[in-house]
Amino acid sequence: AQKVTQAQTEISVVEKEDVTLDCVYETRDTTYYLFWYKQPPSGELVFLIRRNSFDEQNEISGRYSWNFQKSTSSFNFTITASQVVDSAVYFCALSEAGNNDMRFGAGTRLTVKP
Amino acid sequence: EPEVTQTPSHQVTQMGQEVILRCVPISNHLYFYWYRQILGQKVEFLVSFYNNEISEKSEIFDDQFSVERPDGSNFTLKIRSTKLEDSAMYFCASLDTRQVRGYTFGSGTRLTVV
Repeated sequence: AQKVTQAQTEISVVEKEDVTLDCVYETRDTTYYLFWYKQPPSGELVFLIRRNSFDEQNEISGRYSWNFQKSTSSFNFTITASQVVDSAVYFCALSEAGNNDMRFGAGTRLTVKP
Repeated sequence: EPEVTQTPSHQVTQMGQEVILRCVPISNHLYFYWYRQILGQKVEFLVSFYNNEISEKSEIFDDQFSVERPDGSNFTLKIRSTKLEDSAMYFCASLDTRQVRGYTFGSGTRLTVV
């Protein structure tokens, strides 16, 4: 069964700092998908990115970037020049191609102070 | 953009009562899911549903829980006899494997058992 570990329970930064949220995963499948979701205080799950296991290219979207390293089973998320609106809980998740159901990490609560 | 709709947004029920949480997935999606998030904790997989039957369920999804797709559009989660520990946010999701995003989550139903 797949497993996702987000070792950082809480992170606090000051606005404009860069911050990296760690995600380590375990799976026996060779085909799988990795996700990041943002959960703001309002509670909904906001999709940020999906990555498949065959695409190790790093991705940048504005202030967000993702570093996928199969060699270390990690899919880390970096926010550059953080803003107060980035304050939220961020979840990393994994789904295996064989069963499609997605399993979440425990989440990292990010607080960005002005 | 198509949405997954969940109703009600908040439900309060007495311990021991039956409750039905409703979801309308995106119409051309084939896989449906329920997830649970106890306040302040991780998002936990409950059950997946495909081709009108349960494809996988977690250990949380015991005999008190059931799912149904009664009319081809709604997807319901029933809790037969609610306990205090069932208080949580329940998220419905549907999946189109062909889409980049993959999973689309509803905005959740907050269930409070008193």
